[in-house]
Amino acid sequence: GENVEQHPSTLSVQEGDSAVIKCTYSDSASNYFPWYKQELGKRPQLIIDIRSNVGEKKDQRIAVTLNKTAKHFSLHITETQPEDSAVYFCAASPSGGSNYKLTFGKGTLLTVNP
Amino acid sequence: DARVTQTPRHKVTEMGQEVTMRCQPILGHNTVFWYRQTMMQGLELLAYFRNRAPLDDSGMPKDRFSAEMPDATLATLKIQPSEPRDSAVYFCASGLSQAQPQHFGDGTRLSIL
Repeated sequence: GENVEQHPSTLSVQEGDSAVIKCTYSDSASNYFPWYKQELGKRPQLIIDIRSNVGEKKDQRIAVTLNKTAKHFSLHITETQPEDSAVYFCAASPSGGSNYKLTFGKGTLLTVNP
Repeated sequence: DARVTQTPRHKVTEMGQEVTMRCQPILGHNTVFWYRQTMMQGLELLAYFRNRAPLDDSGMPKDRFSAEMPDATLATLKIQPSEPRDSAVYFCASGLSQAQPQHFGDGTRLSIL
C-alpha cells in the first residue's frame, strides 16, 4: 500500500518568512495530492491540492510543487502570518480501480512567531 | 456552505458501554470515510463507503467496531464494548470520487473512562 513520509515534524519561523514542508510517497499509481490545515481542536481543512498532470499550483501565498519522477511534493507558504500556525498534513491518493483512500503523512506543526 | 455534520461533538462514557457516532455527509457526496486521530498515531483510516457499500474496513478492529450506512444521508460508527484505548477524535469525511477533495466534519471527541 501507499506510504507517505512528511518532514519536518515541527517547524518554527518568524512572521514574514517562508515555510516549506516536504512529503514523499511510495506508490507510483498515486496521482492526487491534497494538503490539509488543522488548527487546534478543529477539523482538517483542505487548503490546496494538485494532480499529477501539473507540476506546480499556486493560490495566493500558498503553492504546491510535485515531482512525480522523484515521488515527492512540497507545500510552500510565503510571507507567513501568525494565523498560519497549525498542523499541516499532506496526503496521496491513486485514481482508477476501486481504491478511494487518502494516505496521510504524520503532520507538521508550524509555528509562526510574531 | 455545505458541511459534513457529526454528532455528538463530545462523548464521555465508561468502559464497556456502547458508543454510536453519526455522520451526515454533504448532499450528493457518494463516498464516506471514518478516521480516528490520536497524538501517537495521527490520522488513521478506519473504514470507507462508496454508494453506501463498504469498500474497505481493514483499519478497524473488527471485534468491537462496526460501520454502516443505512441510507445516503447517514453513516454510523459503533464501538461495543468501548475501552479506554478507544479515546480519540473520530472524524467523518465525504467526497465525490477519486482524485477529489475529502471534506471533514468537526469530529466527535470520545473519552472512555
